[in-house]
Amino acid sequence: DAGVIQSPRHEVTEMGQEVTLRCKPISGHNSLFWYRQTMMRGLELLIYFNNNVPIDDSGMPEDRFSAKMPNASFSTLKIQPSEPRDSAVYFCASSSNRGRNEQFFGPGTRLTVL
Amino acid sequence: GQNIDQPTEMTATEGAIVQINCTYQTSGFNGLFWYQQHAGEAPTFLSYNVLDGLEEKGRFSSFLSRSKGYSYLLLKELQMKDSASYLCAVRDHNTNAGKSTFGDGTTLTVKP
Repeated sequence: DAGVIQSPRHEVTEMGQEVTLRCKPISGHNSLFWYRQTMMRGLELLIYFNNNVPIDDSGMPEDRFSAKMPNASFSTLKIQPSEPRDSAVYFCASSSNRGRNEQFFGPGTRLTVL
Repeated sequence: GQNIDQPTEMTATEGAIVQINCTYQTSGFNGLFWYQQHAGEAPTFLSYNVLDGLEEKGRFSSFLSRSKGYSYLLLKELQMKDSASYLCAVRDHNTNAGKSTFGDGTTLTVKP
């Protein structure tokens, strides 16, 4: 398996623009997580899905952030409009509901909002 | 909810042993994970404890005491490549989707 795939790997955009981050989880995994990581705040859980259904979105900072999982193999995280304080590394992770439930992380998207 | 504490930074010498501690307070408990994260990379799974005791995997071991809300990660025969951030993560029993709460991580620097 190729592991969790994220795109783009790097994104530089201007304040006010829409940003869409994409994630393909490991095939067969039931859960998908979106995280944001910064030096100041560490690794923050934004939202997670189980069997394509959003379970907990309490970590989503505000209405500018939205996430979807239309099927078991694809999820998006959208920021509209983007702001400089959204600059961070965004990780997608997936896990199986069986066994240890350890999470497998994608390589991340480094977002810079100017 | 979860509250997880671990030291911010640690320094050790190549070839030595280092112990990274993690304490947690939780309304429920269903497992503790350790992840390793090298600078500029994604976290990767290291170990998992759900019962009290020591789990050994090569140079790395992880210990858990549920009654004390305490875990540690033990790294033996340190190598320069072990310089990384080590994240403690706790899963509460109320989730069936593998959700874990992560600590802020301990940055370990291994010096020659």
